[in-house]
Amino acid sequence: GAVVSQHPSRVICKSGTSVKIECRSLDFQATTMFWYRQFPKQSLMLMATSNEGSKATYEQGVEKDKFLINHASLTLSTLTVTSAHPEDSSFYICSARGRWGGSTTDTQYFGPGTRLTVL
Amino acid sequence: GENVEQHPSTLSVQEGDSAVIKCTYSDSASNYFPWYKQELGKRPQLIIDIRSNVGEKKDQRIAVTLNKTAKHFSLHITETQPEDSAVYFCAASPSGGSNYKLTFGKGTLLTVNP
Repeated sequence: GAVVSQHPSRVICKSGTSVKIECRSLDFQATTMFWYRQFPKQSLMLMATSNEGSKATYEQGVEKDKFLINHASLTLSTLTVTSAHPEDSSFYICSARGRWGGSTTDTQYFGPGTRLTVL
Repeated sequence: GENVEQHPSTLSVQEGDSAVIKCTYSDSASNYFPWYKQELGKRPQLIIDIRSNVGEKKDQRIAVTLNKTAKHFSLHITETQPEDSAVYFCAASPSGGSNYKLTFGKGTLLTVNP
């Protein structure tokens, strides 16, 4: 149980285009989803936290108009990188925190990540 | 906000030896401490976690200890195997509520030499 999928796994796009990444919890309700960015050989940097049906909370320094997050259902969150530029190239990983038996767990389950390359 | 320091950044051991990774945190409100293993190009996988009402937790070859007074926690891997080679991240968070979010350490690259 507790599987999180992410799509696409890799994307290459031209500078100026927008890219949408989907994150799905496959077998549980994700009350909260998180979006991280990871540079090579570095740690996970939290970009934003999204709760189903409400606006995302962005970390300091993350442009909310650049990284649009939607959490429309308890199993799906999307991250859209708008007007992507080469400096947006990175590994983007989502995670989900779920609810079982009426209570929310602390455990975060991660998706497999999306490698974005902006040319 | 929370700040998590992790040491060492790299660790090389011989197969069969033990490995210890240490983390410190700054926010006394943190009470949930997971450890994740990440292989190259893959997702982080939870390997063990501990909450502040417990001082130690063990799962086969992996154990975590927590000293809440000193604000530090450690991962212990015994009888290391080559497949234990990966990057390990510690993290800390307040448990539950609107303040919940994981702050990660910078990671430790563990290499187990056959």
